[in-house]
Parts: sequence; C-alpha cells; structure tokens
Amino acid sequence: NAGVTQTPKFRILKIGQSMTLQCTQDMNHNYMYWYRQDPGMGLKLIYYSVGAGITDKGEVPNGYNVSRSTTEDFPLRLELAAPSQTSVYFCASSSDRVNSPLHFGNGTRLTVT
Amino acid sequence: GDSVTQMEGPVTLSEEAFLTINCTYTATGYPSLFWYVQYPGEGLQLLLKATKADDKGSNKGFEATYRKETTSFHLEKGSVQVSDSAVYFCALIKTGADGLTFGKGTHLIIQP
Repeated sequence: NAGVTQTPKFRILKIGQSMTLQCTQDMNHNYMYWYRQDPGMGLKLIYYSVGAGITDKGEVPNGYNVSRSTTEDFPLRLELAAPSQTSVYFCASSSDRVNSPLHFGNGTRLTVT
Repeated sequence: GDSVTQMEGPVTLSEEAFLTINCTYTATGYPSLFWYVQYPGEGLQLLLKATKADDKGSNKGFEATYRKETTSFHLEKGSVQVSDSAVYFCALIKTGADGLTFGKGTHLIIQP
C-alpha cells in the first residue's frame, strides 16, 4: 500500500549542481503534481501532468523541468540549482482534477548552498 | 486570481478546548473547498471537503461549512486532542484550474 513515494528524503546541493527528485505512485492516477512548500507561504504548484506524455507549467516553473513517460513516474529535474530553490518539495497524485483528493508523498527537503 | 486566506498561527490551545481556524477565499464561480492536514514529517492529507454552497464537510470530529455569502470555510472541532497538533491548510479548486490553490497554513499546537 505504498501510495506516492518520493526519493530522496533529504539532499544538500551546491549552487550550480543538478539533481532529479523522483516520484512514483501505484494508484494508477492520471493526474500528478509537484508543489514546493516554503515556510509561511503555503504550497505553490511547480508543474503538473494530466497523463503520460502530457505536462504543463504551474505557478512557479522557472528553474525546473519534468517528464511523464509512464503513468507511475513523474520526476522533477533541477538544473543549475540556486539558493532560491531551497524548499520542501511534494509530489501528489489524484484520479481526477477537481473532486478526488490529492495523495501526497512525504516530501523531499532540499537545501542549496 | 484565486486566493485563500487563513488565520496566522501558531494557534495554541489546551486539550478539550473548542477550535476554530478561519478561512476565507477569493474566487470567481463556484470552487470546491478543502481542508488538508500535515503532521510533522509527512505530506498533506485530506481532512474534509465541500463542493457546493451550504455543504458541510466533516471527518474525525472536524467540521466546516461552505458559506458562499461570506466566502468562508472555517474549520471547527468541539474538543481538541494533543494528537490534533499539526499544520492545517485551507484550499480551493475550480473546474478547469491547473491545481489546488492553498492558503499559507495554520500551525495548531494542543497542550495537555
């Protein structure tokens, strides 16, 4: 009963390095999302996907890229990490866009120094 | 654009106290409204929802009523427990939107 699984849980990057945050779900959900959570700021949508092969930008996409080659996986790529990308990143999935709840992973805490 | 405003935290209460966390929203049309809860070290999980005006969502002793006339969705619980300590997020979504719009979250601390 895994749900949404994110790896790694923690990561420290140096400025300019790159990394991929992994997200996989086993509920056969079409909709997947990446959010970032900054202290006192709620959650901001980075990218989302409505199905394999389809991705779109959310509110704060700059500095990130995504792909959705399978229904299960939705990795988030950071190129040229910057201190402003220090945050907690959450992946989520749902079976429909409006009425079904989002299922969240436990998050990845990223620090860029 | 759409937005959600929650009361600032932290909110500190004693066990068995009555809880209200205020949430108001700005949105055109008829959004669906949600409360999510985040326990330490975990992702968010849905607590309750309401999809149309005057609907009441309820779960685990928590309730919230969708008030379109006041654009509000306040979270209430009659008697809180230490295990209710968490961060609570109010959120909305409209048909056709990219994803949920979240409030900033309210940190609730319940003292024994």
